[in-house]
Amino acid sequence: GQNIDQPTEMTATEGAIVQINCTYQTSGFNGLFWYQQHAGEAPTFLSYNVLDGLEEKGRFSSFLSRSKGYSYLLLKELQMKDSASYLCAAAIKAAGNKLTFGGGTRVLVKP
Amino acid sequence: DGGITQSPKYLFRKEGQNVTLSCEQNLNHDAMYWYRQDPGQGLRLIYYSQIVNDFQKGDIAEGYSVSREKKESFPLTVTSAQKNPTAFYLCASNRPGDFYGYTFGSGTRLTVV
Repeated sequence: GQNIDQPTEMTATEGAIVQINCTYQTSGFNGLFWYQQHAGEAPTFLSYNVLDGLEEKGRFSSFLSRSKGYSYLLLKELQMKDSASYLCAAAIKAAGNKLTFGGGTRVLVKP
Repeated sequence: DGGITQSPKYLFRKEGQNVTLSCEQNLNHDAMYWYRQDPGQGLRLIYYSQIVNDFQKGDIAEGYSVSREKKESFPLTVTSAQKNPTAFYLCASNRPGDFYGYTFGSGTRLTVV
């Protein structure tokens, strides 16, 4: 079966850094996606990791360790607009890269 | 511009009624998916289709039905057998090997009244 865990909620201050962890147990793993979702809207793509290591994109970075079944999303220089839910999702190769999602982490940025 | 269109954006259903949510894409993607999202939770897979005239059940298929008669279209019917249908429904599509994961529609919010 597939199992993806991430914290339910995190709070941070504007300008700070927040790290959202995600652990996964899946068969046929073919990469780890992070999406941002504002309330009532569709998720938007943030990052994709298939090899071990860190991918950096501006204020957002994502890390993957396949041997540990672990990923994190790092948000730097937090802005109020970063208040949203962040979804971790594992791609399953055998199913045409079907995504299995975690429950999402709600990040609240305070002034 | 290419994309996925879901309609309607808001839908109200009476108890015991069937309703159909529309999902159309012009991205030439082979695979299409339906997810359900409850407040404060992640996305749960209802049904998916990787090719025309074929589809598979996801994790929570009971009370739902789909069809895939055309590559562009993947409608979802919420039947009266679905006891708690109030939720946000998202349609998505992709090509295997697509490194951006899914393209999502804007969602349909279904409320039972």
